[in-house]
Amino acid sequence: EDKVVQSPLSLVVHEGDTVTLNCSYEVTNFRSLLWYKQEKKAPTFLFMLTSSGIEKKSGRLSSILDKKELFSILNITATQTGDSAVYLCAVDSNYQLIWGAGTKLIIKP
Amino acid sequence: EPEVTQTPSHQVTQMGQEVILRCVPISNHLYFYWYRQILGQKVEFLVSFYNNEISEKSEIFDDQFSVERPDGSNFTLKIRSTKLEDSAMYFCASRRDVTDTQYFGPGTRLTVL
Repeated sequence: EDKVVQSPLSLVVHEGDTVTLNCSYEVTNFRSLLWYKQEKKAPTFLFMLTSSGIEKKSGRLSSILDKKELFSILNITATQTGDSAVYLCAVDSNYQLIWGAGTKLIIKP
Repeated sequence: EPEVTQTPSHQVTQMGQEVILRCVPISNHLYFYWYRQILGQKVEFLVSFYNNEISEKSEIFDDQFSVERPDGSNFTLKIRSTKLEDSAMYFCASRRDVTDTQYFGPGTRLTVL
């Protein structure tokens, strides 16, 4: 059965800290891995990763994929209170996204 | 910037009633999806739609559910006879092609009483 597992499930850090969120997957048809940020409502897109070893960066956020070991990490440096959210990992498997349960990140001032 | 829109933002209905959730995907997108998220749980795939037919559906998407693209812009999800456990946030998503990411609408919160 296809699955996406994220860890940790929740994380509390102080502003300015660096965090690393993990996502591992087992899917039969891998097309890409996506990271989303979910605050109050809809997930908002962060990164799409298709190739191993190529880091994607956007400001303080970065992500990388390892297709051999079947995992991805999302790094956030110099965290801010506005980074507090649930971070979702999903694998695009042909017709559907298979979602992880998310990591709830809380940034304390 | 183009975005996916959904209406209504919140729908309250009585158990057994039919509801139709509406979505307007981004205009040049060809692939459409419905997901749901029960409060506190993970996002679940319901159905994908391409070329005026269902491409894939999950086991959640039983005979009570149907989707339609009645015109060139709307994409609807119908639940024929709602159950209490249908209460959830329903997200519509679309993408241009299979190499593109899926863009999500703001969601419709469905409450079944």
